[in-house]
Amino acid sequence: RKEVEQDPGPFNVPEGATVAFNCTYSNSASQSFFWYRQDCRKEPKLLMSVYSSGNEDGRFTAQLNRASQYISLLIRDSKLSDSATYLCVAFPSGGSYIPTFGRGTSLIVHP
Amino acid sequence: GAVVSQHPSWVICKSGTSVKIECRSLDFQATTMFWYRQFPKQSLMLMATSNEGSKATYEQGVEKDKFLINHASLTLSTLTVTSAHPEDSSFYICSAPRRDRLRLNEKLFFGSGTQLSVL
Repeated sequence: RKEVEQDPGPFNVPEGATVAFNCTYSNSASQSFFWYRQDCRKEPKLLMSVYSSGNEDGRFTAQLNRASQYISLLIRDSKLSDSATYLCVAFPSGGSYIPTFGRGTSLIVHP
Repeated sequence: GAVVSQHPSWVICKSGTSVKIECRSLDFQATTMFWYRQFPKQSLMLMATSNEGSKATYEQGVEKDKFLINHASLTLSTLTVTSAHPEDSSFYICSAPRRDRLRLNEKLFFGSGTQLSVL
């Protein structure tokens, strides 16, 4: 079982829609979590950090549920420019200290 | 601005040649850097962890003699693809963790990637 799992999608939504992605992780010792956005043939870029208390940045809201070991990303009022692949990342608390990536969820926002 | 710089962005080379890719942390010291490979429409695959002043740690299935990693300073790691072949054509990306002063956690920043095409 992969340590970080995401539904690859694609999620195909109209402009203005609200879309949510979930990501589950298997290592309960994971300490920090992030959402990254990756456009085609570009490097991943940090979108936002994820905290148990929730994190909101404009149209984006991220949430961490440690009890159920999942993180979520909510995008409100989708824009065409939101089309990309969204990656969730878990940082371990120690040991090998290698961040683990999900395979990414593809979002396509259409007119 | 960029936090991690990666060069070159594009490389086209003949089969059998070696290609060196550089990854620099611009305003922080990176004792650890990660090298990834990504094929079209595939997920990021960790190739190796580059450690400053010591040998890199390679993931299972990655040939260390083919993908040479050198991390001689706290701001520079290099990946050399030796005797490149067409099957090595891929998007190579480096990353480095940087500590967030406010939250005291580390965030991962990526270089812009190198698209390697081996003819």
